[in-house]
Amino acid sequence: DAGVIQSPRHEVTEMGQEVTLRCKPISGHNSLFWYRQTMMRGLELLIYFNNNVPIDDSGMPEDRFSAKMPNASFSTLKIQPSEPRDSAVYFCASSLVLRYSSGTGGTGELFFGEGSRLTVL
Amino acid sequence: SQQGEEDPQALSIQEGENATMNCSYKTSINNLQWYRQNSGRGLVHLILIRSNEREKHSGRLRVTLDTSKKSSSLLITASRAADTASYFCATSNSGYSTLTFGKGTMLLVSP
Repeated sequence: DAGVIQSPRHEVTEMGQEVTLRCKPISGHNSLFWYRQTMMRGLELLIYFNNNVPIDDSGMPEDRFSAKMPNASFSTLKIQPSEPRDSAVYFCASSLVLRYSSGTGGTGELFFGEGSRLTVL
Repeated sequence: SQQGEEDPQALSIQEGENATMNCSYKTSINNLQWYRQNSGRGLVHLILIRSNEREKHSGRLRVTLDTSKKSSSLLITASRAADTASYFCATSNSGYSTLTFGKGTMLLVSP
């Protein structure tokens, strides 16, 4: 398997422009996560999909951010309009999350892509 | 807010020495995981320890978990220059769950 594939690896854009980041998760995984990494705030979860359905988007900073997962093999994270404070490395990760009938279970190993480094000027 | 907090923030050692990193967390967990990140790369999973386990080994890695103290430690024995990276702990709760990461420990292993 090729692992989690993200594109683009680097993006430099000007404030106000639309940015679209793309992710192809590992085949067979049922969960997809978008994280943002900065020096100041570390790794922050933006949104979490399970079986293509957004489960937790409480980490999405504001309405300028949106994420979609139209099918099990593709997700996008869109920023419109972009601002300099959005500059960060954005990671996509996928996993097989197990949830048992008892309500227990938890997230197993996450497989990360190499990230998309976004610079907004 | 961050669930896990690693300590120290940075660690510098010589090759052959052992490196110990600690992680503290706030709420009850289903499992705790450690990840490694080389500069400019994505995170790579190292080891997972469940809440009912106290210790786990994988090669030169040893992880302990103390749920009463809400803490974990990662020990890398006989370190190598190639171990230079940032190390993160991450916690998972039950049910529909995400992983919450700490800010990491930067490890520098000098030849």
